[in-house]
Amino acid sequence: GAGVSQSPRYKVTKRGQDVALRCDPISGHVSLYWYRQALGQGPEFLTYFNYEAQQDKSGLPNDRFSAERPEGSISTLTIQRTEQRDSAMYRCASSSDSKGQPQHFGDGTRLSIL
Amino acid sequence: QKEVEQNSGPLSVPEGAIASLNCTYSDRGSQSFFWYRQYSGKSPELIMFIYSNGDKEDGRFTAQLNKASQYVSLLIRDSQPSDSATYLCAVTKGLAAGKSTFGDGTTLTVKP
Repeated sequence: GAGVSQSPRYKVTKRGQDVALRCDPISGHVSLYWYRQALGQGPEFLTYFNYEAQQDKSGLPNDRFSAERPEGSISTLTIQRTEQRDSAMYRCASSSDSKGQPQHFGDGTRLSIL
Repeated sequence: QKEVEQNSGPLSVPEGAIASLNCTYSDRGSQSFFWYRQYSGKSPELIMFIYSNGDKEDGRFTAQLNKASQYVSLLIRDSQPSDSATYLCAVTKGLAAGKSTFGDGTTLTVKP
Protein backbone atom coordinates (compact mmCIF):
# COMPACT_ATOMS: atom_id res chain seq x y z
CA GLY A 1 0.00 0.00 0.00
CA ALA A 2 0.89 3.63 -0.21
CA GLY A 3 1.15 4.25 3.51
CA VAL A 4 1.70 2.52 6.81
CA SER A 5 -1.22 0.25 7.54
CA GLN A 6 -2.21 -0.77 11.04
CA SER A 7 -4.84 -3.24 12.11
CA PRO A 8 -7.18 -3.41 13.79
CA ARG A 9 -8.14 0.27 13.98
CA TYR A 10 -9.96 -0.36 17.23
CA LYS A 11 -9.59 -3.16 19.71
CA VAL A 12 -11.69 -3.61 22.83
CA THR A 13 -10.85 -6.51 25.08
CA LYS A 14 -11.20 -7.63 28.63
CA ARG A 15 -8.45 -7.32 31.16
CA GLY A 16 -6.24 -10.37 31.19
CA GLN A 17 -6.59 -11.18 27.50
CA ASP A 18 -3.68 -11.12 25.08
CA VAL A 19 -3.78 -8.76 22.09
CA ALA A 20 -1.76 -8.61 18.90
CA LEU A 21 -1.45 -5.38 16.94
CA ARG A 22 -0.25 -5.49 13.38
CA CYS A 23 1.75 -3.01 11.33
CA ASP A 24 2.42 -3.19 7.61
CA PRO A 25 5.07 -0.56 6.76
CA ILE A 26 5.64 1.33 3.54
CA SER A 27 7.15 -1.02 1.02
CA GLY A 28 10.92 -0.90 1.10
CA HIS A 29 11.21 0.90 4.42
CA VAL A 30 14.01 -0.60 6.45
CA SER A 31 13.12 0.82 9.83
CA LEU A 32 9.91 0.22 11.74
CA TYR A 33 8.93 1.83 15.03
CA TRP A 34 6.26 1.27 17.65
CA TYR A 35 4.97 4.10 19.82
CA ARG A 36 2.23 4.53 22.36
CA GLN A 37 0.40 7.83 22.57
CA ALA A 38 -1.84 8.92 25.41
CA LEU A 39 -4.35 11.71 24.89
CA GLY A 40 -2.69 15.10 25.08
CA GLN A 41 0.82 13.67 25.01
CA GLY A 42 3.43 13.00 22.39
CA PRO A 43 4.22 9.52 21.10
CA GLU A 44 6.19 7.46 23.59
CA PHE A 45 8.84 5.22 22.04
CA LEU A 46 8.42 1.50 22.60
CA THR A 47 10.77 -0.30 20.22
CA TYR A 48 12.23 -0.25 16.72
CA PHE A 49 13.56 -2.61 14.08
CA ASN A 50 15.98 -2.38 11.22
CA TYR A 51 14.95 -5.14 8.84
CA GLU A 52 14.09 -8.07 11.11
CA ALA A 53 16.50 -7.11 13.89
CA GLN A 54 15.10 -5.45 16.96
CA GLN A 55 17.55 -2.60 17.54
CA ASP A 56 16.15 -1.02 20.65
CA LYS A 57 13.43 -2.24 22.97
CA SER A 58 14.20 0.07 25.84
CA GLY A 59 10.74 1.64 25.72
CA LEU A 60 8.76 -1.55 26.27
CA PRO A 61 7.14 -0.99 29.69
CA ASN A 62 7.52 -4.54 31.02
CA ASP A 63 7.84 -8.12 29.92
CA ARG A 64 4.16 -8.36 28.95
CA PHE A 65 5.05 -6.36 25.86
CA SER A 66 6.92 -7.89 22.95
CA ALA A 67 7.36 -7.19 19.27
CA GLU A 68 8.62 -9.06 16.28
CA ARG A 69 9.28 -8.47 12.60
CA PRO A 70 10.30 -11.93 11.41
CA GLU A 71 10.69 -11.24 7.69
CA GLY A 72 11.71 -7.63 7.89
CA SER A 73 8.36 -6.33 6.75
CA ILE A 74 5.15 -6.76 8.77
CA SER A 75 5.51 -6.36 12.51
CA THR A 76 3.37 -7.48 15.41
CA LEU A 77 3.23 -5.88 18.84
CA THR A 78 1.87 -8.31 21.41
CA ILE A 79 0.60 -7.43 24.85
CA GLN A 80 0.00 -10.36 27.16
CA ARG A 81 -2.33 -10.38 30.16
CA THR A 82 -3.60 -6.90 29.34
CA GLU A 83 -4.28 -4.38 32.09
CA GLN A 84 -6.45 -1.27 32.04
CA ARG A 85 -3.37 0.94 32.06
CA ASP A 86 -2.44 -0.52 28.65
CA SER A 87 -5.35 1.40 27.09
CA ALA A 88 -3.92 3.89 24.60
CA MET A 89 -3.37 4.64 20.93
CA TYR A 90 -0.60 2.44 19.57
CA ARG A 91 1.16 3.91 16.57
CA CYS A 92 3.51 2.34 14.11
CA ALA A 93 5.87 4.30 11.89
CA SER A 94 8.35 3.35 9.22
CA SER A 95 11.25 5.06 7.49
CA SER A 96 14.21 4.41 5.30
CA ASP A 97 17.48 4.34 7.22
CA SER A 98 18.97 7.26 5.36
CA LYS A 99 19.82 10.54 7.02
CA GLY A 100 16.91 12.86 7.41
CA GLN A 101 14.22 10.50 6.31
CA PRO A 102 10.99 11.12 8.16
CA GLN A 103 9.06 8.56 10.06
CA HIS A 104 5.73 7.98 8.35
CA PHE A 105 3.03 7.13 10.82
CA GLY A 106 0.07 4.83 10.43
CA ASP A 107 -3.41 5.75 11.66
CA GLY A 108 -2.88 3.77 14.85
CA THR A 109 -4.77 1.15 16.80
CA ARG A 110 -6.97 2.43 19.60
CA LEU A 111 -6.76 -0.19 22.36
CA SER A 112 -9.31 -0.20 25.15
CA ILE A 113 -9.03 -2.62 28.05
CA LEU A 114 -12.22 -3.13 30.01
CA GLN B 1 12.28 16.58 33.93
CA LYS B 2 11.21 15.29 30.55
CA GLU B 3 13.89 14.70 27.93
CA VAL B 4 12.07 16.94 25.44
CA GLU B 5 10.05 19.86 26.73
CA GLN B 6 7.57 22.06 24.94
CA ASN B 7 5.12 24.68 26.13
CA SER B 8 1.75 22.97 25.99
CA GLY B 9 -0.05 26.13 24.97
CA PRO B 10 -2.52 26.76 23.69
CA LEU B 11 -0.79 29.33 21.54
CA SER B 12 -3.18 31.59 19.70
CA VAL B 13 -2.16 33.90 16.87
CA PRO B 14 -4.17 35.91 14.35
CA GLU B 15 -4.17 34.91 10.70
CA GLY B 16 -1.12 36.26 8.91
CA ALA B 17 1.01 36.55 12.04
CA ILE B 18 4.18 34.65 12.89
CA ALA B 19 3.77 31.70 15.23
CA SER B 20 6.83 30.75 17.29
CA LEU B 21 7.07 27.29 18.82
CA ASN B 22 9.86 26.29 21.15
CA CYS B 23 11.44 23.07 22.32
CA THR B 24 14.31 22.23 24.68
CA TYR B 25 16.03 18.89 25.08
CA SER B 26 18.26 17.43 27.74
CA ASP B 27 20.55 14.98 25.90
CA ARG B 28 23.58 16.85 24.58
CA GLY B 29 24.38 13.89 22.32
CA SER B 30 21.25 14.45 20.24
CA GLN B 31 21.95 15.01 16.56
CA SER B 32 18.64 15.05 14.69
CA PHE B 33 15.68 17.28 15.36
CA PHE B 34 12.22 17.04 13.86
CA TRP B 35 8.99 18.97 13.90
CA TYR B 36 5.78 17.05 13.32
CA ARG B 37 2.28 18.43 12.93
CA GLN B 38 -0.64 16.47 14.33
CA TYR B 39 -4.22 17.42 13.58
CA SER B 40 -6.79 16.36 16.12
CA GLY B 41 -7.56 12.66 15.77
CA LYS B 42 -4.89 12.16 13.11
CA SER B 43 -1.39 10.76 13.02
CA PRO B 44 1.75 12.95 13.17
CA GLU B 45 3.23 14.13 9.88
CA LEU B 46 6.74 15.52 9.43
CA ILE B 47 7.06 19.16 8.43
CA MET B 48 10.73 19.97 9.12
CA PHE B 49 13.98 18.38 10.19
CA ILE B 50 17.29 20.01 11.08
CA TYR B 51 20.77 18.75 12.01
CA SER B 52 23.06 21.75 11.98
CA ASN B 53 23.13 24.85 14.13
CA GLY B 54 21.38 27.78 12.55
CA ASP B 55 18.26 28.24 10.50
CA LYS B 56 16.62 26.04 7.90
CA GLU B 57 13.80 27.43 5.81
CA ASP B 58 11.12 25.57 3.85
CA GLY B 59 8.33 27.73 2.50
CA ARG B 60 6.53 29.40 5.40
CA PHE B 61 8.39 27.28 7.94
CA THR B 62 11.77 27.98 9.53
CA ALA B 63 13.44 25.64 11.98
CA GLN B 64 16.17 27.05 14.23
CA LEU B 65 18.68 24.95 16.15
CA ASN B 66 21.06 26.00 18.89
CA LYS B 67 22.91 22.96 20.21
CA ALA B 68 24.84 24.93 22.81
CA SER B 69 21.58 26.04 24.40
CA GLN B 70 19.89 22.71 23.60
CA TYR B 71 17.08 24.57 21.96
CA VAL B 72 15.13 24.11 18.74
CA SER B 73 12.32 26.27 17.48
CA LEU B 74 9.83 26.42 14.64
CA LEU B 75 8.59 29.65 13.12
CA ILE B 76 5.49 29.68 10.95
CA ARG B 77 5.16 32.82 8.87
CA ASP B 78 1.87 34.10 7.47
CA SER B 79 -0.03 31.69 9.71
CA GLN B 80 -3.21 30.24 8.26
CA PRO B 81 -6.23 28.72 10.02
CA SER B 82 -5.20 25.41 8.43
CA ASP B 83 -2.01 25.57 10.52
CA SER B 84 -4.11 25.05 13.65
CA ALA B 85 -2.83 21.79 15.08
CA THR B 86 -0.53 20.35 17.71
CA TYR B 87 3.16 20.65 16.86
CA LEU B 88 5.42 17.93 18.19
CA CYS B 89 9.16 18.30 18.62
CA ALA B 90 11.15 15.06 18.29
CA VAL B 91 14.82 14.42 19.00
CA THR B 92 16.97 11.49 17.84
CA LYS B 93 20.48 10.63 18.98
CA GLY B 94 21.74 9.52 15.60
CA LEU B 95 21.68 11.00 12.14
CA ALA B 96 19.69 8.20 10.56
CA ALA B 97 17.23 5.70 11.99
CA GLY B 98 16.87 5.41 15.70
CA LYS B 99 14.79 6.03 18.76
CA SER B 100 13.00 9.36 18.64
CA THR B 101 11.93 11.10 21.83
CA PHE B 102 8.90 13.34 21.43
CA GLY B 103 7.72 16.29 23.43
CA ASP B 104 4.09 16.51 24.41
CA GLY B 105 3.39 19.13 21.78
CA THR B 106 2.22 22.73 21.57
CA THR B 107 -1.31 23.36 20.43
CA LEU B 108 -1.53 26.23 17.97
CA THR B 109 -4.74 28.01 17.05
CA VAL B 110 -4.73 30.49 14.18
CA LYS B 111 -7.75 32.77 14.34
CA PRO B 112 -9.21 34.16 11.08
